[in-house]
Amino acid sequence: GAGVSQTPSNKVTEKGKYVELRCDPISGHTALYWYRQSLGQGPEFLIYFQGTGAADDSGLPNDRFFAVRPEGSVSTLKIQRTERGDSAVYLCASSPRLADTGELFFGEGSRLTVL
Amino acid sequence: DQQVKQNSPSLSVQEGRISILNCDYTNSMFDYFLWYKKYPAEGPTFLISISSIKDKNEDGRFTVFLNKSAKHLSLHIVPSQPGDSAVYFCAASDGGTASKLTFGTGTRLQVTL
Repeated sequence: GAGVSQTPSNKVTEKGKYVELRCDPISGHTALYWYRQSLGQGPEFLIYFQGTGAADDSGLPNDRFFAVRPEGSVSTLKIQRTERGDSAVYLCASSPRLADTGELFFGEGSRLTVL
Repeated sequence: DQQVKQNSPSLSVQEGRISILNCDYTNSMFDYFLWYKKYPAEGPTFLISISSIKDKNEDGRFTVFLNKSAKHLSLHIVPSQPGDSAVYFCAASDGGTASKLTFGTGTRLQVTL
């Protein structure tokens, strides 16, 4: 498809486990963003990339969270030693360049449940 | 500390009438504001935006009003249609770009027949 693709759509894991969430942005989009949406809340900024580099990772909650985008396209969000409080929908978005008009194209999200 | 607030969790409006969704913000550094719409099991989709140098922006049935002195913005949908039923998020950023957005908690709009 032509949109932002996120896998898996659903992930259930146990507390303490390691998790990887993948985002495949729209082809040609150089900017990529990760947000997290907890129940009853709006999306919360985590990190964004311009190309391969993390331009701003100030939203990552702690050092258990890490994201990479090695070739400037697909990105992986990695969560170590998961905790119940990490349960949320993780949203990825992309834009043709660093967003100047607000039109971030979001994927459907990866729902993470930590038991 | 909720910097972007949407105090109405839900709103019900009859088809054909006006829907008004409100948003307040506290951070005076915010200079770019956006509305996103979200259907269940889908990602948010961009609806309309406004820069702090304007007080109104219109796109078809959707108009956003910005009152900087009151730190308040609103989204007007006229006329409302059943397909507008969704959760609407207000978002804001500083630096004049949309790279790092602060979202409100959303308002669920139900447009009834």
